[in-house]
Amino acid sequence: DARVTQTPRHKVTEMGQEVTMRCQPILGHNTVFWYRQTMMQGLELLAYFRNRAPLDDSGMPKDRFSAEMPDATLATLKIQPSEPRDSAVYFCASGLLIGYEETQYFGPGTRLLVL
Amino acid sequence: QQQVKQSPQSLIVQKGGISIINCAYENTAFDYFPWYQQFPGKGPALLIAIRPDVSEKKEGRFTISFNKSAKQFSLHIMDSQPGDSATYFCAASTLQDKAAGNKLTFGGGTRVLVKP
Repeated sequence: DARVTQTPRHKVTEMGQEVTMRCQPILGHNTVFWYRQTMMQGLELLAYFRNRAPLDDSGMPKDRFSAEMPDATLATLKIQPSEPRDSAVYFCASGLLIGYEETQYFGPGTRLLVL
Repeated sequence: QQQVKQSPQSLIVQKGGISIINCAYENTAFDYFPWYQQFPGKGPALLIAIRPDVSEKKEGRFTISFNKSAKQFSLHIMDSQPGDSATYFCAASTLQDKAAGNKLTFGGGTRVLVKP
């Protein structure tokens, strides 16, 4: 069955290194979301795209985070340079807006640890 | 204005019992209220959702009750089973605001443990 895939599933890196997370949305979905989940802050929306165009990235620290959709099958989230406070689980979700309904389907997440 | 408050943070219920999770919101523009279920190590998955034109929606053992005037909605899990042990998130969005898209605001989550 169709699923959102994310790579890598786990990433351990040192402070200052660049981290790139990738997401393959469900084929045919036109919206992609990036979320961050931590114990303290819960689920936070970082950015999202519709038809590959960025709609909102207000939840993302602009100085170090960037999100792109180079094509309809790939979304990327980059952190440069990474910091220990970026340690979290990063989820990608995709959805298809039909009328007023849109279900978001989440991927399995990338668990990031920045030392 | 965008916050969704969820309670309790955790809940222990015996098998066969009823789990009740409550959420409250402030933004009257919200018009879509989904609940997501998340198992450890997995991404959240849509469980059930409601629009404000109905006061209740039931799917199997899961029921959403919606009180528009009080700006509250709740999830009831009837006949709770050990397999229901998970974290549950309420959320809200403004579907009719095309500029906002379907930007979900999540509650803080409730960890439910169903004891056999």
